[in-house]
Amino acid sequence: QLQVQESGPGLVKSSETLSLTCTVSGDSFTSDSYWWGWIRQPPGRGLEWIGNVYYSGNTDYTPSLRSRVTISVDTSKTQFSLKLRSVTATDTAVYYCARGSYGYSYGYFDHWGQGALVTVSA
Amino acid sequence: DIQMSQSPSSLFATVGDRGTITCRASQSIGRYLNWYQHKPGKAPKLLIYAASNLQSGVPSRFSGSGSGTDFTLTISSLQSEDFATYYCQQSYSTPYTFGQGTKVEIE
Repeated sequence: QLQVQESGPGLVKSSETLSLTCTVSGDSFTSDSYWWGWIRQPPGRGLEWIGNVYYSGNTDYTPSLRSRVTISVDTSKTQFSLKLRSVTATDTAVYYCARGSYGYSYGYFDHWGQGALVTVSA
Repeated sequence: DIQMSQSPSSLFATVGDRGTITCRASQSIGRYLNWYQHKPGKAPKLLIYAASNLQSGVPSRFSGSGSGTDFTLTISSLQSEDFATYYCQQSYSTPYTFGQGTKVEIE
């Protein structure tokens, strides 16, 4: 059974870099059938897609965060990571990592982590 | 960006009721529409992908329909474990976008 789990500091100071890691276990990490994504949920708000990293190593980011975000993958550790630079209070959120998959060529996120709350302090 | 809007924002119901949530896209997205269930403190759960395909392990009381810009998630007979927030999400193009959510609450 696939498991994905976020880890990283729960408190980050304003203007610094938020760093989270997602560890994947229980299934093939390097299959080109999957991709890996980060999604966040600010307090009291809905879900916001941050970006994806694909088997090829290519990445795709939401335009509003593109200048500050990097998603990378470490296949030897079956992990992928999120770095968000120059954070402000508006980056306070629960951050989820998830596996993307295809069914009939349609993409979706079929396995999600429990989420990691990251608070940005002044 | 493709904007996704859900209605209603809140749905009050009792066990056994039929629940219906709609999702509208700002442009045609074919059938690139997924539905997720989210409970506080838990991982979101995929219910429906490609508009109408039931994810493995999801009870058959959940169903999805629609294509183009208008989509529906139906819960045929609400169970106690179904009280949660539901999100639609388009995967037609990046940036992927979600609806604002529909909270299904006990009446």
